[in-house]
Amino acid sequence: DVKVTQSSRYLVKRTGEKVFLECVQDMDHENMFWYRQDPGLGLRLIYFSYDVKMKEKGDIPEGYSVSREKKERFSLILESASTNQTSMYLCASSLRQGIGYGYTFGSGTRLTVV
Amino acid sequence: QKEVEQNSGPLSVPEGAIASLNCTYSDRGSQSFFWYRQYSGKSPELIMSIYSNGDKEDGRFTAQLNKASQYVSLLIRDSQPSDSATYLCAVPRGTGGFKTIFGAGTRLFVKA
Repeated sequence: DVKVTQSSRYLVKRTGEKVFLECVQDMDHENMFWYRQDPGLGLRLIYFSYDVKMKEKGDIPEGYSVSREKKERFSLILESASTNQTSMYLCASSLRQGIGYGYTFGSGTRLTVV
Repeated sequence: QKEVEQNSGPLSVPEGAIASLNCTYSDRGSQSFFWYRQYSGKSPELIMSIYSNGDKEDGRFTAQLNKASQYVSLLIRDSQPSDSATYLCAVPRGTGGFKTIFGAGTRLFVKA
């Protein structure tokens, strides 16, 4: 089975800090994604990457950036953390895009910004 | 209108019954559809995908797609308490289908 590993399960950071969330997948998937999940708002796409060094904005990219220097690793960066970025962050990967290719999610990182 | 809509529930069914979960979508050009299950405190896991009109069966799960009416449903036969979870409908959109939109999910409770 594909495994998507997120480096931290829980994080507490202070307002203004630069925060790095790491995600690693072990099955040579082309595509990787970062979502945040909030009660009442569901899953919202922040950024995605379809190849090494390639990235595209999702629906809510403001305040975030990403890095994909290696195929297996996709990092989400909060440039200056704010309290409204307190959320559950989910990384996902897919073998390729197309009909029938669903996502495998990591276990999530619950980030609290104080 | 939301791009992907689901009844938030909760939907409560007795053990052994059929649970029926529905999802409607707004983009007529959508070609593939996914169902994910999310247990409380856990991340979503893929259950099924469907892209042709009609039914697709996998064990106790059946996905149904009607593109003309723009709805997709998930039936769970012989529901078990372990099926109690939130079920998310997901629809890829945009160029290349990378921007998958998730519905808010339907909470299902299966009573023993």
